[in-house]
Amino acid sequence: QVQLVQSGAEVKKPGASVKVSCKASGYTFITYGISWVRQAPGQGLEWVGWINAYNGDTRYAQKLQGRVSMTTDTSTSTAYMELRSLRSDDTAVYYCARDPGFTISMDVWGKGTTVTVSS
Amino acid sequence: SYVLTQPPSVSVAPGQTARITCGGNSIGGKSVHWYQQMPGQAPVLVVYDESDRPSGIPERFSGSSSGDTATLTISRVEAGDEADYYCQVYDRSSDHKVFGGGTKLTVL
Repeated sequence: QVQLVQSGAEVKKPGASVKVSCKASGYTFITYGISWVRQAPGQGLEWVGWINAYNGDTRYAQKLQGRVSMTTDTSTSTAYMELRSLRSDDTAVYYCARDPGFTISMDVWGKGTTVTVSS
Repeated sequence: SYVLTQPPSVSVAPGQTARITCGGNSIGGKSVHWYQQMPGQAPVLVVYDESDRPSGIPERFSGSSSGDTATLTISRVEAGDEADYYCQVYDRSSDHKVFGGGTKLTVL
């Protein structure tokens, strides 16, 4: 079955960086993209960005431009999201989701990775 | 940037019909997707492309869209439908995906 398995929880200090992984299985990795979505405590869903797993093309939410990077390793079917210069308001659960891109829906989601930014 | 507006909460008695709206400029011309999120869980796609259901989603879940409003309709509501629901579209002008603020469905 199609599955996205994310890395474990992280605790970081303000100003540090975090890199979250998302390992895909059950489908041909390069035929889909991966979106990253975050959810701050008690808040709604916020789209972080998207990467085309075939060619590495990326789209990032404007508010995170310059601090976020998304990459993939096609040899291990794994997507990565790195967020730099962490602030307390980056504290959230970060989800990866299978996403062909553009108007198409996100049909399979990982269970989420909690990132806590605290001094 | 494109904004999607949802009511914060909707309440309905078991067996009745719940309607959750999602407002956006000319949303009727976009592909609208709906996600269900149970407490402490990841979101699950329940309706895509305005009115289609993924396999495994009950027929009680349906969607529609026209003008500036999209609607998720849940018929014969059950206690297990209590969750947060989010609408989502792709905004071509910004090349971004956008979520509504979410609606908490309470089953009385």
